[in-house]
Amino acid sequence: KAGVTQTPRYLIKTRGQQVTLSCSPISGHRSVSWYQQTPGQGLQFLFEYFSETQRNKGNFPGRFSGRQFSNSRSEMNVSTLELGDSALYLCASSLTAGGWYEQYFGPGTRLTVT
Amino acid sequence: AQTVTQSQPEMSVQEAETVTLSCTYDTSESDYYLFWYKQPPSRQMILVIRQEAYKQQNATENRFSVNFQKAAKSFSLKISDSQLGDAAMYFCAYRSAMLNNAGNMLTFGGGTRLMVKP
Repeated sequence: KAGVTQTPRYLIKTRGQQVTLSCSPISGHRSVSWYQQTPGQGLQFLFEYFSETQRNKGNFPGRFSGRQFSNSRSEMNVSTLELGDSALYLCASSLTAGGWYEQYFGPGTRLTVT
Repeated sequence: AQTVTQSQPEMSVQEAETVTLSCTYDTSESDYYLFWYKQPPSRQMILVIRQEAYKQQNATENRFSVNFQKAAKSFSLKISDSQLGDAAMYFCAYRSAMLNNAGNMLTFGGGTRLMVKP
């Protein structure tokens, strides 16, 4: 089985622009979660989608949004980029929401905002 | 809200020796899961070991084992016979198992960088 894939792997954007990151979960997985990883704040939960519905949302401003498609692929969007949005964005997929199921992480998208 | 604390930003161990990474957490919930994740320099996070809070028996996966002390809210990871490939960032994580909060949201600790000396 192919693992979790994230595109693009690297991205450089300018302040004020917007960006869309994509995550393709493992085939058959219906839950996708997103995390932001920075040296200062560590790993922080952004949101989780299950069957196209947002189940949980972390403490991030409304500039951060996401969605999930019927094939379970997920996208996250950050509008009006700020320098502090520079981070590694990780997505993780799981068979379902909750329970004992393992979450599998993708390689991440490294976003640099200049 | 739950918090996870890893008090050791860096640890080093000699190859073939044993090392223990510490993790404490704070929660008012009674049902939850605890995890240790490894993030090598290539950045792909992988699950090392997991523990269900209601199970008293400590989880073991080959050279990796945990010491789960529920009353003390402590969840340490022991790596035996350390190998060069064990060098990585290790993250302790918490996930609720409460029915009214079921989901996959993980709360991570700050991480411990493990160095393995040949």
